[in-house]
Amino acid sequence: GAVVSQHPSRVICKSGTSVKIECRSLDFQATTMFWYRQFPKQSLMLMATSNEGSKATYEQGVEKDKFLINHASLTLSTLTVTSAHPEDSSFYICSAVRLAGGRSTDTQYFGPGTRLTVL
Amino acid sequence: AQKITQTQPGMFVQEKEAVTLDCTYDTSDQSYGLFWYKQPSSGEMIFLIYQGSYDEQNATEGRYSLNFQKARKSANLVISASQLGDSAMYFCAMRDLEYGNKLVFGAGTILRVKS
Repeated sequence: GAVVSQHPSRVICKSGTSVKIECRSLDFQATTMFWYRQFPKQSLMLMATSNEGSKATYEQGVEKDKFLINHASLTLSTLTVTSAHPEDSSFYICSAVRLAGGRSTDTQYFGPGTRLTVL
Repeated sequence: AQKITQTQPGMFVQEKEAVTLDCTYDTSDQSYGLFWYKQPSSGEMIFLIYQGSYDEQNATEGRYSLNFQKARKSANLVISASQLGDSAMYFCAMRDLEYGNKLVFGAGTILRVKS
C-alpha cells in the first residue's frame, strides 16, 4: 500500500508554544490531505481538508486561526497548533488521498499519527 | 446527513475462528464508498478493504471480506482464521462521492483475539 509519514511521532511542549506537525506522502502525489484528531478510545474527528495550492477547508467548530494548515506541495501538508494549551493534547492523524483513476476507488492512506502533550 | 453505526464496542474471538464486525450506515445518496480500517495500539490506521455502492460482488482481501447488504444498509467485516495480531480497534467509514473524499467514521469496535 501507499506510504504516508508524519513527523514528529510524539511531542511534548509547554503551554503557549506552537507546534508544527508534518504529513508527507512518500510514494505518491496527493492534492488532498486530511487532518484528524482522536481522543483516547474514541473515533477520528475530521478537523480540516488540506488542498494543495489553496486554503484549507475547516470543519464546523474547528478554529482555523488555532490550527493552521499549509499544503505546500503535492507531497507535504503541515498542521501548526498555535499557542497550544493542555486541552489541545490529543492524537493527530493525517491522511493523503491516492487517486486511482476512477473516483470510486480513491483511497485515503493514513500517517502513523502524532501524539501531542501540552503541559 | 451521513452516519455510520458500529454497535459492538468490544468483541472477543478465539484464535483461528472467524468473527464478524457489524457496520450499518445511513445515507440518502446513491453513490458512496465503504471502508474498513484497523487501528492497533500503535495508533496507525491501516486500510483493510473497500466496497463501492455499485459493486455487485462483495469485496475480499485475503482473510478480510465485506458482507455488503445494500438494501439493509449494512457493510459487515468478516475476518477469517483470526490471529493474535488481529487484536485492534476496527473502524467502518463511509465516503460520499458527491463530497469528494471526506470520510465519516463509526465509533469503532475493539477486537480481542484469545489464544
